[in-house]
Amino acid sequence: SYELTQPPSVSVSPGQTASITCSGDKLGDKYACWYQQKPGQSPLLVIYQDTKRPSGIPERFSGSNSGNTATLTISGTQALDEADYYCQAWDTSTGVFGGGTKLTVL
Amino acid sequence: QVQLVQSGAEVKKPGASVKVSCKASGYTFTNYGLNWVRQAPGQGLEWMGWISAYNGDTSYEQKFQGRVTMTTDTSTGTAYMELRSLRSDDTAVYYCARGKLHLEHDYWGRGTLVTVSS
Repeated sequence: SYELTQPPSVSVSPGQTASITCSGDKLGDKYACWYQQKPGQSPLLVIYQDTKRPSGIPERFSGSNSGNTATLTISGTQALDEADYYCQAWDTSTGVFGGGTKLTVL
Repeated sequence: QVQLVQSGAEVKKPGASVKVSCKASGYTFTNYGLNWVRQAPGQGLEWMGWISAYNGDTSYEQKFQGRVTMTTDTSTGTAYMELRSLRSDDTAVYYCARGKLHLEHDYWGRGTLVTVSS
C-alpha cells in the first residue's frame, strides 16, 4: 500500500521559516494537500492541489510538490501556528495521510 | 456557510455496530462526496473511505472492506458511516469531511467519539 512519510517533529523560532516534508513514491505525480490540526479541534485545510491556499489561510503558508517530496512552508512562523500538520494524497481511489508532524514554535 | 454536523458520542461493546451520521448544509449536497476519517487517541489521521452523494459510489480503505458501509440520504442531506464487529482499537474520533474523489477534504465535521469497551 502507498505510504507518506513525515518527520515526527519540527521546531522553529518565532518569525523564522518552518519547512515540513512529506515523502512518497512519485508523490510529485499526484496532488498533495496539507491539514493543520490544533489540540481538540478538527483538521483544517491549509494547502490543496500542491500550492493553493483556501480562502482565509494566511499567505505565510505555501506548498510545493516535486519528485518524491511535497513541502509545506510557513514563513514568519507565529506562535499560533504551533499544531500538528498532516499531508494527504490519493493512491488511485484510496486516500492516504502522512503520519503527521508536530510543529513547535519556541 | 458549509456545515457538517455529526451525531453525538457513542459507547459500544466489542462485537457491536455503530452508525455515525453527518448532516450537511450550506451547499448542494449532491455536488460533492463525503470522506470518513478517524483518529485514535493520540494518533494520526486514518482515511476510511469516500462516498459520492451524487450516485452513492463508494471507495473503501482495504482494511475496512467488509466491516464498513457508507451511505447517503439525499432527501435530508445526511451521510452515514456504519462500522460493524467493533473492537477496542476502533475507539477513535470519527470525522466526516466534504470532498470530491481524488481531491482535498475542504470542510470537516467536529467529529464523533466512539468508545468501544466491555
